[in-house]
Formats: sequence, C-alpha cells, structure tokens
Amino acid sequence: GAGVSQSPSNKVTEKGKDVELRCDPISGHTALYWYRQSLGQGLEFLIYFQGNSAPDKSGLPSDRFSAERTGGSVSTLTIQRTQQEDSAVYLCASSFRDPRSYGYTFGSGTRLTVV
Amino acid sequence: DQQVKQNSPSLSVQEGRISILNCDYTNSMFDYFLWYKKYPAEGPTFLISISSIKDKNEDGRFTVFLNKSAKHLSLHIVPSQPGDSAVYFCAASEKGGGNKLTFGTGTQLKVEL
Repeated sequence: GAGVSQSPSNKVTEKGKDVELRCDPISGHTALYWYRQSLGQGLEFLIYFQGNSAPDKSGLPSDRFSAERTGGSVSTLTIQRTQQEDSAVYLCASSFRDPRSYGYTFGSGTRLTVV
Repeated sequence: DQQVKQNSPSLSVQEGRISILNCDYTNSMFDYFLWYKKYPAEGPTFLISISSIKDKNEDGRFTVFLNKSAKHLSLHIVPSQPGDSAVYFCAASEKGGGNKLTFGTGTQLKVEL
C-alpha cells in the first residue's frame, strides 16, 4: 500500500482481556517501529524490528506486551491481560532510508481503550 | 525522566507571522534531532531534522536551529499559514542507540487568520 496501515483504528476492551494490534508497513521498508501515546504525553518507544536482526524490545513496559514481525513485513503487537493504564494510541511506523535524516512514516494508529 | 522537553503546550500566532517552537534536551548523547507535525486522528509526519554537527538546517518555510551548549533547539516557520495548525513534536536519536527516538510532549500550534 501507499502508506503504513494499522488495524483496528479503534478498540475497546474489557480489563483482563488480550488484544492484538496489526501493522502493515510500507512495502520494502526494512525497519518497523511501535510507539504509544498516552493522554497528554509524548510518544513512547516500545519495540523496533530491523531486517533479520533481533528486535530491540527495550521499551516494552511489561512482559504482558509482545510483538512479532512475520516474513519481514506485517507486525502484530499483543497485549495480554490488559489494564486501564494500557489505554493509549498505539502507533506503528516504518522506514527505509536513515530515519535520523528522513524520519519514519507513521500509520494513523490504533486507539485502545481498556474499560 | 523527561529527556526531551517542550515546555509550551500551546502557541498561537497570526497568519503570515513567524512561529517559533522550542525544545530542550538533557541527554548529551543525542546526535540527531527531528521535528514531526501531527494532525488530529493522523499519525505524525516528519518535517525536518538536524545533525548535532550542524547548527542550522532549512527546508522551505521551516528552519531548525540547534544550540548544543544550551541543549536547545527551535523550529521556525515563516510565514505561518492556517494549514500549519497542528501539534509539533520534537524528537531525538541517541548515538549508538539504534534508530529509536525519544519524543517530547508536543506543542499545539494555532495559526489564526
């Protein structure tokens, strides 16, 4: 596709349930990133995948969070036993050239609400 | 610990005038700085970046200035247009830290007619 696609765009879930968020990066982009933005906060790094290298998971807030990237393309972020503090907009981004000079391309995000 | 700080949550400017958005940082290992613009219900869009070896980078109406000694950067938009109304995020990349970014909390810019 022309841009980074995320689904669903909105998700309301009950506390304690598991959720899966999906990201389709731009075709050919070798790097994929997950960030989240809580209300009134900046974007918080979660995890990033670069080619076939081991992912950088240093931003995952707890072991309830995991992500995978299949075939170097689509990525799924899974949150187990959701808590109210997990409510946020989850943003996926991808990049091809040096993102320090050219930036990432972000999707529109998934707004997760845990009730 | 907020390593990238945008102390002004909002800024209002008249159309045609200059908008100046400010950002401060604490981590001396940051080597690249970026600005993103975000409209409601959309993801952030990359605007401009600057390497720590430079003190200025310009792209059309957008100029970023970096003052390393003060650990301060600013984004100037001249002239400001109503379509520039958005949230602006400052972000930084740490040397040797891979390509992950540390973001500030954003400044809401409103350009008034």
